[in-house]
Order: sequence, then structure tokens, then C-alpha cells
Amino acid sequence: DVKVTQSSRYLVKRTGEKVFLECVQDMDHENMFWYRQDPGLGLRLIYFSYDVKMKEKGDIPEGYSVSREKKERFSLILESASTNQTSMYLCASSLWDRGRNEQYFGPGTRLTVT
Amino acid sequence: AQSVSQHNHHVILSEAASLELGCNYSYGGTVNLFWYVQYPGQHLQLLLKYFSGDPLVKGIKGFEAEFIKSKFSFNLRKPSVQWSDTAEYFCAAQYSSASKIIFGSGTRLSIRP
Repeated sequence: DVKVTQSSRYLVKRTGEKVFLECVQDMDHENMFWYRQDPGLGLRLIYFSYDVKMKEKGDIPEGYSVSREKKERFSLILESASTNQTSMYLCASSLWDRGRNEQYFGPGTRLTVT
Repeated sequence: AQSVSQHNHHVILSEAASLELGCNYSYGGTVNLFWYVQYPGQHLQLLLKYFSGDPLVKGIKGFEAEFIKSKFSFNLRKPSVQWSDTAEYFCAAQYSSASKIIFGSGTRLSIRP
């Protein structure tokens, strides 16, 4: 069974703070993803990575950065948190399989920026 | 731009009613299609997927979806819903061999007991 874990379920940070969200998967998946989920907007891709030290921007990368130093770990960084980054953040991983890659999701981190 | 549309934002049904949730995707060549479900307080999980072959795919918990290429649709169906089907449902598409999946905005399903 694929397991994707995220470091926190709930997080409260102040405006301007640097925030780290961690994600770990245990299935040796090549691909990892960070999304944010907002009511009425579905899931929007922030960044993804298809290999260690590789990253690509998703649809809404502004205000975020990522790090992938090890295959199993993918970190999302908010350099200076702002209130409009209050959201649910979801991490996912997938195996590279000729493009047929269903994604496995973590439980999410609900971040509140005050 | 590639996109996925879910036109029903909130659907309310009584138990035992039949369900059909709409999903349309934009043209973009070869496409893989998915339905994910998020039960209250739980993580997103895969309901079913279509890659190729039989356009009628069956998933977990009695759900099925039909891929209609001419309509760019991949609607989710269930003949008789239960209270436990209360959840948010997301349609998603993956174009050609790209890694990323594009999600629709989601449909919240509420079932009256």
C-alpha cells in the first residue's frame, strides 16, 4: 500500500514567516507533486518533481519554492507567508509508467496564515 | 489551454437515488481520465481510471464512468447512492505522456438519509 505522509495536519503561521511543508512517500515513486485545494477551485498544481533535484513549475508557483534532495521527500517552502496562502496543501506521488500515472495523495496540511 | 470542467458544484440526493456527475475535458490528443473522491476528513483516493480499451470503466464502491470521445466527456455514475457516498468528487485528466494531471473544480455530493 502506497503511503504518502505530510509533516503536519494543521499549521498556523504569521504573515512574513518562512514555512516548510514536508512530504514523504514510501513507494520509490519518481514523481512528486504539491497542490493547493480551495473551495470551488479544485486542486491547483504548485510545483512538481520528476526526479531528485529536478523541479518544474505548475500553474500557480508564485510565492512558493520546492526542494527535493532525496527521492522520497519533497518539501514546499513559503518564503514569506501571506494571508492569501491560507489553504489546504496536498502532496501526491506517482510512478512514472508510460504516462499512466495515477497519483497517491497524502492527508493534507491545512495552513492558516494570520 | 487544457482544462477539465465539472458543471455541478453541489448535488443533493436522497438515498437510493441514481447519480450522474458530469465531467468534460478539453481536446488535447491522447488523454487518460480519472475520478478521485475525498470523504470528509480523509485524503483523496482514486475511484476509477480510464487509459484505453472498453470505454465503460468500473471502479470501487459500485461507481462506473463512461468515456465518450465524441463528447469529450467522462461522467461518473452510480445506480443507487448511499449516505456513505457523501463526499467531494474530482474529475481529472492527464494529456499524452505528461506527468501532471489537471483537476476539475470538484462536485460536492450530499446524500440525505
